[in-house]
Amino acid sequence: DSGVTQTPKHLITATGQRVTLRCSPRSGDLSVYWYQQSLDQGLQFLIQYYNGEERAKGNILERFSAQQFPDLHSELNLSSLELGDSALYFCASSVRLEGWANVLTFGAGSRLTVL
Amino acid sequence: DAKTTQPNSMESNEEEPVHLPCNHSTISGTDYIHWYRQLPSQGPEYVIHGLTSNVNNRMASLAIAEDRKSSTLILHRATLRDAAVYYCILRDGGGSNYKLTFGKGTLLTVNP
Repeated sequence: DSGVTQTPKHLITATGQRVTLRCSPRSGDLSVYWYQQSLDQGLQFLIQYYNGEERAKGNILERFSAQQFPDLHSELNLSSLELGDSALYFCASSVRLEGWANVLTFGAGSRLTVL
Repeated sequence: DAKTTQPNSMESNEEEPVHLPCNHSTISGTDYIHWYRQLPSQGPEYVIHGLTSNVNNRMASLAIAEDRKSSTLILHRATLRDAAVYYCILRDGGGSNYKLTFGKGTLLTVNP
């Protein structure tokens, strides 16, 4: 157990639907990162939050949004789902915002299947 | 972003040492070299990182070339549980980039 908790572990839904993935960071970690992993794209960085504020954005679609709450947990919202959104979604956390040696701790992931 | 180049796959035998290479010829002076690995059906996990000097921890050793254009992750005695995809990543240079950018990595197969 890495200390980063992601729910749900598995989710099956239909095209056009909306889902929310939840992440609780490791105790004491202020920064949360979201990554998407699909078979053909590898691990793609989506977005990062630090202490409630968005700090970095990657290749995140406009249909996707995220936020980090005062208790530091984060949610990734995926809407108007398409077949191509089927993937593993990982959350990671770290203590600091930056720093050359900043180490990420990943959760076990949420597997999304869009039918 | 500075890029890394790794072999797509490597094979090793159990209890033998494994040397996983990584080339990063465009590395900047302030880039740290990070290694993560991803076991089947799990999230990536941190292995080791370094800047200029060789580093050792309980999981592995990291050997960094003097010109820093390449590095090698060393698993001293491979076990079946070391079978995973190993990612060599440069911590994006500059204080404004916070993300770690993962490439394709090296798929390590360990034979019993």
